[in-house]
Amino acid sequence: DAGITQSPRHKVTETGTPVTLRCHQTENHRYMYWYRQDPGHGLRLIHYSYGVKDTDKGEVSDGYSVSRSKTEDFLLTLESATSSQTSVYFCAIRGAGDTGELFFGEGSRLTVL
Amino acid sequence: GEDVEQSLFLSVREGDSSVINCTYTDSSSTYLYWYKQEPGAGLQLLTYIFSNMDMKQDQRLTVLLNKKDKHLSLRIADTQTGDSAIYFCAARTSSSNTGKLIFGQGTTLQVKP
Repeated sequence: DAGITQSPRHKVTETGTPVTLRCHQTENHRYMYWYRQDPGHGLRLIHYSYGVKDTDKGEVSDGYSVSRSKTEDFLLTLESATSSQTSVYFCAIRGAGDTGELFFGEGSRLTVL
Repeated sequence: GEDVEQSLFLSVREGDSSVINCTYTDSSSTYLYWYKQEPGAGLQLLTYIFSNMDMKQDQRLTVLLNKKDKHLSLRIADTQTGDSAIYFCAARTSSSNTGKLIFGQGTTLQVKP
């Protein structure tokens, strides 16, 4: 158990509304990531963080912003949700060793109507 | 950038061996990973292989790496119905000091009794 909690686990919202997904970790890891999973695309990186207030874009960052004000929390915000952002969102942390494996949360399923 | 490709679907009979294949494009990939995702769950790390290895075995799992062809495979011996899941291949490149992993689309393994 990598100590990762995502909230909410399920959310239905309407187009144009803001949405924030939260990722909380208990193990003080430096690197955190947000991925989205869509059929036929696997997992695609949205944003990642390499420390408090240090974030960068991934391959599908348009329409998303992130914040990391504390080591343990990494927030993903959709400022104005669109139907194309209907997806399952996964938070991950990087393990402490050299092998660099990622450990994933259980996912947040977002439906934008 | 790095691209990782997998076939989308594999069906086997219980007790047979399963072989899931993956190709990647970046020859500088240092670590390659296999993850398993069961329905409604996050991704679990199954195994990984470092780029200076050709093979890694872990109980029923055998990973083969052909660096020349940039081809990775996961063999599951004596496949059981509990092995039914989506399997993701992922690559980490040497240029990625931020620990980003690039994932394939995922292979759905169906195990028939």
